[in-house]
Formats: sequence, structure tokens, C-alpha cells
Amino acid sequence: EVQLVESGGGLVQPGGSLRLSCAASEFTFSAYGMTWVRQAPGKGLEWVAYIKQDGSEKYYVDSVKGRFTISRDNAKNSLYLQMDSLRAEDTAVYYCARDPIRGDGYNFDHWGQGTLVTVSS
Amino acid sequence: DIQMTQSPSSVSASVGDRVTITCRASQGIRSRLDWYQQKPGKAPKLLIYGATSLQSGVPSRFSGSGSGTDFTLTISSLQPEDFATYYCQQPNTFPLTFGGGTKVEIK
Repeated sequence: EVQLVESGGGLVQPGGSLRLSCAASEFTFSAYGMTWVRQAPGKGLEWVAYIKQDGSEKYYVDSVKGRFTISRDNAKNSLYLQMDSLRAEDTAVYYCARDPIRGDGYNFDHWGQGTLVTVSS
Repeated sequence: DIQMTQSPSSVSASVGDRVTITCRASQGIRSRLDWYQQKPGKAPKLLIYGATSLQSGVPSRFSGSGSGTDFTLTISSLQPEDFATYYCQQPNTFPLTFGGGTKVEIK
């Protein structure tokens, strides 16, 4: 069964940094695009970043450009999100998810359980 | 950016009811529209992709329709496990965007 397990969330002060990890198992990680999606408390879903299978292309929502960096290590079956210059509005549960690459756009068929990031002084 | 507008924002329904949720894109996205279900404290689950294709393992009471800018998710006979929040997503163009969600509540 496909598994995605996020880690690295926690409490951080405004302006601080955090690195989220997503460990993938039971599928060929290097064959799939991957993404991060977040959800602020009581709010809807917001797409954050996407990385292609080989890491050659990366995309970000405008609100995190220049502050967040998505990356992956296919040898370690792992996805990362480096978050710098964190703001209170970045407070959310962060989910990693897999893109099945069906050729019908970027949608996500398996999700992790999420990790909570709280930005507060 | 492509804006996704869902309606209604919430709906009260009974078990066995037919429920329809709509999603409108601010510009045409062909048939590239996905629907997710999310229960409290859980990750989203993909229900429908490509506007009409049922994701593996999803019950056939869920169906999707539409193309261009207007899309619909229909639950033909609401079951107790279907009470949740539903989101549409356009997978066509970065930045990817979600609708605001529709909460399906027990009447």
C-alpha cells in the first residue's frame, strides 16, 4: 500500500525556518511528481509547491516564492519543503501528495496524514 | 490565476438524498477538473479526476460532469459516510487552485 509520512512540523517564531520531510514507500518514488498542499486551521486547501519526477521543474504559489524551496531525493524516497522567513499566515497543516502522472493535469491520488506548522511568538 | 468558485458553501441533506455541488472556473480548463472529499482531521481523498473519471475504489454513487468552466459533482444517494467537505481543483495550470469547499451536513 502506498504510504506517505510527513514529519518536521512544529512551533517556530516569525522569521524562522523549518524543514518538512515526506517519506514515501511502496511505490517507485522517482516515477511520480510530488506536491505540498496546506490547510490553515478551519480553512480550505491551498496548493503550495510541486516538483517533477526528476526534480528538473518546480512550481510555487506566489505567496511562498523566494521563501520556500521544494526538493526531493529519489535515492532516499523522500520529498522536502524548506520553509524560510516564516510568517503567521504560514500556520497550517502541510500535506505531501503524489501525482499519478496520467496526462490529465496535476492531481493527487495519495496523501500523507499531514504535519502541523505553527508560526507564533 | 484561475479562480475556482464552489456552490453552495454548505448543504444539509438526509441519507438517501441526491446531492449536487457545482464548481465554476474563471477561465476554460477543458475537462481538467478534480474532486476531493475531506473528513475532519483527515487528508483529502481523490474522488473524480478529468471531470468524469471515478478514482479506483470510489463508490459509483459519485459522479462528475462538465467541461470548460462549469462542473458538477453528484452523489446519487447520500450515505452516512459521505458527510464531509468536498473540494474541486483545477489541475490544468500553475498555480493549481482549489475551490472554497462545500460542507455536506446531516439534515
